[in-house]
Amino acid sequence: AQSVAQPEDQVNVAEGNPLTVKCTYSVSGNPYLFWYVQYPNRGLQFLLKYITGDNLVKGSYGFEAEFNKSQTSFHLKKPSALVSDSALYFCAVRDMNTGGFKTIFGAGTRLFVKA
Amino acid sequence: GAGVSQSPSNKVTEKGKDVELRCDPISGHTALYWYRQSLGQGLEFLIYFQGNSAPDKSGLPSDRFSAERTGGSVSTLTIQRTQQEDSAVYLCASSRTGEVHQPQHFGDGTRLSIL
Repeated sequence: AQSVAQPEDQVNVAEGNPLTVKCTYSVSGNPYLFWYVQYPNRGLQFLLKYITGDNLVKGSYGFEAEFNKSQTSFHLKKPSALVSDSALYFCAVRDMNTGGFKTIFGAGTRLFVKA
Repeated sequence: GAGVSQSPSNKVTEKGKDVELRCDPISGHTALYWYRQSLGQGLEFLIYFQGNSAPDKSGLPSDRFSAERTGGSVSTLTIQRTQQEDSAVYLCASSRTGEVHQPQHFGDGTRLSIL
């Protein structure tokens, strides 16, 4: 079965420090991976995606993610965290077993950036 | 507006009542999704519409849940005989097409509370 795991419920980082939010996946075939961010009382916002090509993907707000096929990971990174980055982050994968229209979301990782 | 619009933003109702939730997708987007999110948790897929094709209803949790999409645009999610476990945030998303590389654009959700 296709799945995505976010092993950390919460990540704490000081402002200005680099941040990493972890994601691992399990799929049959090629993975189609996404990161979304959710601010309080708002819907999810798309950050970036990996479909094919370069393993390092750059996205919105200075975020990037590294696709690692051997480790089946797609960790979200940012070189210098901002307090305003504090939010709930979701990793997601398209479920190709059902034609690709369904998206499987991880449980989410809450990021706290301390000033 | 240019984004996905959902109404109402909040709905409080008594157990046993029926509720209707509305979603206006981004103009021109052919794919529309409904999800349920319980208390800051991950997203549970409910239903998917693509153009004029029959919707995929495989995620609907019971026959009390139904959804329709009129004219390929506005969608309504109806919950009949609401139960307390239906309390959640219901999120709608649309994408330009249903292709796997397309990111989803989310509305801010309807927060449903069943008393």
